[in-house]
Amino acid sequence: DAGVIQSPRHEVTEMGQEVTLRCKPISGHDYLFWYRQTMMRGLELLIYFNNNVPIDDSGMPEDRFSAKMPNASFSTLKIQPSEPRDSAVYFCASVPTGSHEQYFGPGTRLTVT
Amino acid sequence: GDSVTQMEGPVTLSEEAFLTINCTYTATGYPSLFWYVQYPGEGLQLLLKATKADDKGSNKGFEATYRKETTSFHLEKGSVQVSDSAVYFCALKTGGFKTIFGAGTRLFVKA
Repeated sequence: DAGVIQSPRHEVTEMGQEVTLRCKPISGHDYLFWYRQTMMRGLELLIYFNNNVPIDDSGMPEDRFSAKMPNASFSTLKIQPSEPRDSAVYFCASVPTGSHEQYFGPGTRLTVT
Repeated sequence: GDSVTQMEGPVTLSEEAFLTINCTYTATGYPSLFWYVQYPGEGLQLLLKATKADDKGSNKGFEATYRKETTSFHLEKGSVQVSDSAVYFCALKTGGFKTIFGAGTRLFVKA
């Protein structure tokens, strides 16, 4: 298996633009998590899905952030409009049912200027 | 709520030195405990785990013992290598679906 796939790996955009981050989980995994990592705040859970349904989005910082999972093999995290403080590395991770282990993707480094 | 506290870094060691990274936790119930490692430019990956008290997790020369009486899960390695330079995260998972991560400890190993 190729593991969790994220795209793009790097994104540079200007403040106010819409940004869409993409994630393909490992086939057969039922849970998908989106995290944000910064030096100041560490690793923060934004939202997670079970069987494509959002379960807990309490970590989403504000209404500018939205996430979808239209099917078992694809999820997006959208920021509209983007702001410089959104600059971070965004990870998605997937987990098979009954497992403790999270399988992380390589991350998307987002820079908003 | 559940939480994980780990020692602040960075930790700088010479090759072949002994490593300890401290981790303590607060949790209701009986959590499973983990150490994840993040190499530069990569996502986190599971290093080892322990699911009940007194269990010892081990992998790649690293080990950690689940100590319920001290609510600790310290990471140790007898002889570090330059290739061990990374950020190490202690984490816990209770009956829910979330994993709670510590702040991470950066390790630098000098040749």
